[in-house]
Amino acid sequence: DTGVSQDPRHKITKRGQNVTFRCDPISEHNRLYWYRQTLGQGPEFLTYFQNEAQLEKSRLLSDRFSAERPKGSFSTLEIQRTEQGDSAMYLCASSLAPSGYNEQFFGPGTRLTVL
Amino acid sequence: KNQVEQSPQSLIILEGKNCTLQCNYTVSPFSNLRWYKQDTGRGPVSLTIMTFSENTKSNGRYTATLDADTKQSSLHITASQLSDSASYICVVSAEGAAGNKLTFGGGTRVLVKP
Repeated sequence: DTGVSQDPRHKITKRGQNVTFRCDPISEHNRLYWYRQTLGQGPEFLTYFQNEAQLEKSRLLSDRFSAERPKGSFSTLEIQRTEQGDSAMYLCASSLAPSGYNEQFFGPGTRLTVL
Repeated sequence: KNQVEQSPQSLIILEGKNCTLQCNYTVSPFSNLRWYKQDTGRGPVSLTIMTFSENTKSNGRYTATLDADTKQSSLHITASQLSDSASYICVVSAEGAAGNKLTFGGGTRVLVKP
């Protein structure tokens, strides 16, 4: 296991289309987080899972966004009816909790461009 | 409201020189503070993590300091290299925050020139 992986790395779509991103966390990590990052800004929290349970969602996560982690391993983030404002880097992170600092390890991100 | 402010927003330094990045936070109750390095188009990578009782922590040429009384932190880069060109993000975790949600600063973009 070499770390958190995300797929695809880049996605270009037309406004109104649906997109789905996948995140594979570090294998023994029970927590998985989704963040959104726009150019020149720090990441913003979207949601997180503990095992398969989605425990918290940010107000940034509109009803067009849905995240799942069906078996407590990989997670998907779907955006329906994409808008140009959804263009951003979507980062996934995982951690093992409870443990020490609960350090989150980030994936490389999926860059979404909505035309 | 929990906030993390970083300065400067960007800076340019010559290879071999030192630089210091600043971070002020209002996150409460404080749990720990992290500095991440983020290369363009990549995810953040942790450099240091400090708790309330730690004043300084080093990772190679990176040295972070923490003053929990004034709620300030700094990241010092010594003898900069071209590979240090990246965004450096200060991140603060609040104690007891659900899921240990992190509050991110906007980052400082560092460009090292030869």
